Amino acid sequence: GNSVTQMEGPVTLSEEAFLTINCTYTATGYPSLFWYVQYPGEGLQLLLKATKADDKGSNKGFEATYRKETTSFHLEKGSVQVSDSAVYFCALSASWGKLQFGAGTQVVVTP
Amino acid sequence: DSGVTQTPKHLITATGQRVTLRCSPRSGDLSVYWYQQSLDQGLQFLIQYYNGEERAKGNILERFSAQQFPDLHSELNLSSLELGDSALYFCASSSPGGGAEAFFGQGTRLTVV
Repeated sequence: GNSVTQMEGPVTLSEEAFLTINCTYTATGYPSLFWYVQYPGEGLQLLLKATKADDKGSNKGFEATYRKETTSFHLEKGSVQVSDSAVYFCALSASWGKLQFGAGTQVVVTP
Repeated sequence: DSGVTQTPKHLITATGQRVTLRCSPRSGDLSVYWYQQSLDQGLQFLIQYYNGEERAKGNILERFSAQQFPDLHSELNLSSLELGDSALYFCASSSPGGGAEAFFGQGTRLTVV
């Protein structure tokens, strides 16, 4: 079946540091890939998405590239802020829009 | 604000009881999804409805059921509740089309005591 694996957290960074969260997937066919973010006490918000190989999704300084050859969709941000502290979920959608999520990675950014 | 409304925000109930969680999707969205978020299981897909019809089923227990009404709002019914059902239940909606993003509600936090 389909699955998403992302690096375990928590990831603790200083403000302005570079952030990478690794995400790899297993799926048949050509899934769409997503990064969702969950701030404390809130629901999930879409951060970015990519629907085909080599697509790059970007939003709020975050980027991820759909790499079919390595089945990966790593999330990166060049300079994090305290406000980026949250839990980040990698997800795929292979059929009918339902999402398969990774376990989530907590990111803590300190001043 | 995602446009997806879930009620109630918090629910505390006793084991063996039955509860109903409600979700109003974004205007125009025909698909509604239910997810369960717990510490041990993470985010799990439960069930999807599309324009009133069940479209896909995930790890949903037989004690749980859902439906989508003609006005497209959805309800998730949880019965014979157990302590392990304590979790955050999210509803999401999306518009038709592959790759369409899902918009999530704020969730209902269920505590079974």
